[in-house]
Amino acid sequence: DTGVSQNPRHKITKRGQNVTFRCDPISEHNRLYWYRQTLGQGPEFLTYFQNEAQLEKSRLLSDRFSAERPKGSFSTLEIQRTEQGDSAMYLCASSVRGSSGTDTQYFGPGTRLTVL
Amino acid sequence: DQQVKQNSPSLSVQEGRISILNCDYTNSMFDYFLWYKKYPAEGPTFLISISSIKDKNEDGRFTVFLNKSAKHLSLHIVPSQPGDSAVYFCAATSPGTYKYIFGTGTRLKVLA
Repeated sequence: DTGVSQNPRHKITKRGQNVTFRCDPISEHNRLYWYRQTLGQGPEFLTYFQNEAQLEKSRLLSDRFSAERPKGSFSTLEIQRTEQGDSAMYLCASSVRGSSGTDTQYFGPGTRLTVL
Repeated sequence: DQQVKQNSPSLSVQEGRISILNCDYTNSMFDYFLWYKKYPAEGPTFLISISSIKDKNEDGRFTVFLNKSAKHLSLHIVPSQPGDSAVYFCAATSPGTYKYIFGTGTRLKVLA
């Protein structure tokens, strides 16, 4: 399977605990994105990497959230001191500029976080 | 501020008929639009896209139409199949950013 992979697929944690999610993008894709999706909503942008550089962050990404892509390949998203409002599906996507000059983002299966 | 709107939360269509899903946007800077399909417990799957320099793009049973003056796009699926039953999201992006802005989705149910 050469698509975007995410681990774990599900995470249940208690309020106040830290959690970390991993995303492995499609191998030749240099751009990587994190989104969050809650029930009844579309995905909301969190942050974007080009290679190892984090180039854009949403105001949704509070100081309890941190994302890294240390070698320009896989990425991790950490949430510290989780709150019940952090319960959501966390989606990772990757892309590369196509011949037409446009980027199309391909999504992974997501990590569903439940904070008790 | 909902820049991308899908005003129909759900749609039911008979198998073999046409499904038309609509999306409106407010930001005139958007220049690339996409449709994704999402099954429960899975990530969104890319379906089809259109650049603002075009008004139509086809891929098999899927056609996307863009009306820039009305800030409206639509996805046509013909013929509809039961396997098309899913939630469909439209998304848009503008120059200078790589983030996508998504609508809230339309749940399509294709009845056999």
